[in-house]
Amino acid sequence: EPEVTQTPSHQVTQMGQEVILRCVPISNHLYFYWYRQILGQKVEFLVSFYNNEISEKSEIFDDQFSVERPDGSNFTLKIRSTKLEDSAMYFCASTETGKPQHFGDGTRLSIL
Amino acid sequence: SQKIEQNSEALNIQEGKTATLTCNYTNYSPAYLQWYRQDPGRGPVFLLLIRENEKEKRKERLKVTFDTTLKQSLFHITASQPADSATYLCALPGMNYGGSQGNLIFGKGTKLSVKP
Repeated sequence: EPEVTQTPSHQVTQMGQEVILRCVPISNHLYFYWYRQILGQKVEFLVSFYNNEISEKSEIFDDQFSVERPDGSNFTLKIRSTKLEDSAMYFCASTETGKPQHFGDGTRLSIL
Repeated sequence: SQKIEQNSEALNIQEGKTATLTCNYTNYSPAYLQWYRQDPGRGPVFLLLIRENEKEKRKERLKVTFDTTLKQSLFHITASQPADSATYLCALPGMNYGGSQGNLIFGKGTKLSVKP
């Protein structure tokens, strides 16, 4: 069964540095999402992306965050200047019309 | 804003019994509700979706009910097995979604442990 793949599985970064998290959605999917899960807390929506533009974003997704689909297969989340509170699991998800979302296994982001 | 509560953080049951998990929501009338399973260090995995006009949905040993008057969904696993041990998440579409592909709002989850 096709899967959403995320790299790296674990990223350690110094506070204030930029980080890019990468995702390869399922190939025929058109809708893409980023969520995060702080340790011990619930999965929270960050942003959704369709037709090469952001379709929705949450209050968490401020100016420090950006998303990009640089080519036909990758979907990236960039955090410009990381803060300690950005430490979390970041999940990418994708779907097609009328179907539930498929999640990757996440990138654990640790900010030091 | 909408609020989702899964009012048991943890549920411990014996193998073979039926596990029943509860999801309550407020300030909202969602068109559908979903249940996901999450294993430690893994992403959520979709299990079942139930629409507002459906009272009950089944898939193998899983059963979901949806009571829009009570604003509650119940998730049942019958003949539970140790392999069913995981965290189960309730999810609703976000209030601002413009169609079927909008964002999801998740509950905090219930950690189910099935003892042999």
